[in-house]
Amino acid sequence: AQTVTQSQPEMSVQEAETVTLSCTYDTSESNYYLFWYKQPPSRQMILVIRQEAYKQQNATENRFSVNFQKAAKSFSLKISDSQLGDTAMYFCAFIPTGGTSYGKLTFGQGTILTVHP
Amino acid sequence: GAGVSQSPSNKVTEKGKDVELRCDPISGHTALYWYRQSLGQGLEFLIYFQGNSAPDKSGLPSDRFSAERTGGSVSTLTIQRTQQEDSAVYLCASSRDSLYEQYFGPGTRLTVT
Repeated sequence: AQTVTQSQPEMSVQEAETVTLSCTYDTSESNYYLFWYKQPPSRQMILVIRQEAYKQQNATENRFSVNFQKAAKSFSLKISDSQLGDTAMYFCAFIPTGGTSYGKLTFGQGTILTVHP
Repeated sequence: GAGVSQSPSNKVTEKGKDVELRCDPISGHTALYWYRQSLGQGLEFLIYFQGNSAPDKSGLPSDRFSAERTGGSVSTLTIQRTQQEDSAVYLCASSRDSLYEQYFGPGTRLTVT
């Protein structure tokens, strides 16, 4: 079974500053994908960034980047130049590409991020 | 194009009544998922449909929960004899295939009184 752990229930950051959200996971699978999703107060889950486990290069999407450490099973999200619109709950998620859990996303408990003006 | 839609957006029901929640996935997406988001418990996988294959029902919490997907498109999640612990936000997602990004609907907030 897979588990995803987000150890920071809440984080806050000043507008324009940088913040890093932590995520660790546990799996016996060697091939998988990792995601960060954002859920603003509107409740709509939005994909922020995706990382394939076989890729060593960290994924980047505009102001969002990840630090993927496969050996340590760590997948942190860095948000640069934070904006007020980044205020949301952020979920780390894992999906194996094989095995009995193929195709099923496992989510962490979420981190509430508040960006202050 | 249109995203994933869900109806109703909010549902209040009395304990013991049956409810049906609807999900319209993005056109052409072969995979469809249902999740439950309870306060303080994160997102919990419920059921997963992939094409014409038998659904993966391993996440359904009890036999009061069932889901179907008609014509490979619209899906309905049915909860029979609702209990107060069923109160949650029910999220539907679809993807092009099992391993692609999942696109989520806005969810249905179910309140059982």
